[in-house]
Amino acid sequence: QLQLQESGPGLVEPSETLSLTCTVSGGSIATSGYFWGWFRRPPGKGLEWIGSIYYTGGPYYNPSLHSPVTVSVDTSRNQFSLKLNSVTAADAGLYYCARQRGYTPSGYMEVWGKGTTVSVSS
Amino acid sequence: QSLLTQPPSMSAAPGQRVAISCSGSSSNIGNNDASWYQHLPGSAPKLLIYDNNKRPSGIPDRFSGSKSGTSATLGITGLQTGDEADYYCATWDSSLTTVVFGGGTTLTVL
Repeated sequence: QLQLQESGPGLVEPSETLSLTCTVSGGSIATSGYFWGWFRRPPGKGLEWIGSIYYTGGPYYNPSLHSPVTVSVDTSRNQFSLKLNSVTAADAGLYYCARQRGYTPSGYMEVWGKGTTVSVSS
Repeated sequence: QSLLTQPPSMSAAPGQRVAISCSGSSSNIGNNDASWYQHLPGSAPKLLIYDNNKRPSGIPDRFSGSKSGTSATLGITGLQTGDEADYYCATWDSSLTTVVFGGGTTLTVL
């Protein structure tokens, strides 16, 4: 059974870089027909897409994000990662990784990680 | 403000039926498939409906989905207290080239 697990620091200082990793188990990240995405849920708000990537590369990002973002994939480790630069308080919240079905980032999210909480504070 | 509009909250008694609406536009729901997710506090979001009306294996047939024009609807019958959660619709917006979510609907079963 495919499982995704987010990991990373729970606390980041303002203007610093948030780095999270999603480890995939029970299946290979290098499988055709799936995108791998990052999502978040700020306190008191709804879900938001951050960005997604195929195992061969070529990430797609939410153009409305105010912080520079990078999503990368490491097939040797069966992981994909998120880097959010110059974070502000608005970047705090629950962060989730998920597998999306399809050959484009428009696919539905069929498997999710349990999420990790990120706080932004000095 | 979300591109997809959902009622912020709904409530119904156990055993009853609810229909959660998700209103969009031609650039999103009107030309792309909708999916629905259940999100309980402290848990991972769960896919309930994909491709407008398909249920993943393991999702009971109490949950159903439909789409008409630029709106999608999630139906839940035989409500149970365990159905209390936040429900989100989602789709792709072809103009913005982004995944978009509704603002979420908090369902209370009382």
